[in-house]
Amino acid sequence: GAVVSQHPSRVICKSGTSVKIECRSLDFQATTMFWYRQFPKQSLMLMATSNEGSKATYEQGVEKDKFLINHASLTLSTLTVTSAHPEDSSFYICSARGTTNEQFFGPGTRLTVL
Amino acid sequence: QKEVEQNSGPLSVPEGAIASLNCTYSDRGSQSFFWYRQYSGKSPELIMFIYSNGDKEDGRFTAQLNKASQYVSLLIRDSQPSDSATYLCAFSTGGFKTIFGAGTRLFVKA
Repeated sequence: GAVVSQHPSRVICKSGTSVKIECRSLDFQATTMFWYRQFPKQSLMLMATSNEGSKATYEQGVEKDKFLINHASLTLSTLTVTSAHPEDSSFYICSARGTTNEQFFGPGTRLTVL
Repeated sequence: QKEVEQNSGPLSVPEGAIASLNCTYSDRGSQSFFWYRQYSGKSPELIMFIYSNGDKEDGRFTAQLNKASQYVSLLIRDSQPSDSATYLCAFSTGGFKTIFGAGTRLFVKA
C-alpha cells in the first residue's frame, strides 16, 4: 500500500504555544488529505478535508482559526494547532487519497499540551 | 440512523477460530467499501477494500459485500492473538469523504 508519513510522532508543548504537524505522501500524489483527531478509546473524528491548492473544508464544530490547514503541494499538508490548550491534547492522524478511493493513514502525532 | 453501524464488541474468539465482523451502512449510493485495522495507540491500516457484490479474499481475510442488504462483513480465518485490534469499516460514495464506523474490538484468546 501507499506510504504516508507524519512528523513529529510525539510533541509536548506549553499551553498557549502553536504546534505544526506535517503529513507527507511518500510514493503517490495525494489529491485529497484528511485530518482526524482521536481521543483515548474513542472513534476517529474527521476535522477537515483539504484538496491541493484549495482552502480546507472543516467539519462542523472545528474552529478553522485554531486548526490551520495548508495543503501546499500534492505530497504535503500541514496542520497547525494555534494557541494550544490542554483540551487539545489528543492523537492527530492525517490520511491521504490519490486517484483511487483508498485512503491511507499516517502513523499519527500524539500531542500533549501542559 | 447512523451512517455506518458496527457492533462495538468486544468480540472474543479463540485462537484458530473464524472471526466474523459485520457492518451495515445507510447510503445506497455507496460505491467503495473498506476495512481498516487499528491497534491500540496506532493509526488505522487499510487491510481490505471491495467494490463489487460478493466475496473478496486476501490471505486469511475475506470481505463480503451485499449491496442489496447494505452490509459488508470481514471474516478472519485461523484467528491469531496478533489479530486482536479494533476493526473499522468504511465506505465512500465516490466523493471526497470516506465515512468510518466506530469500530469493533476483536480479542483473540491464545
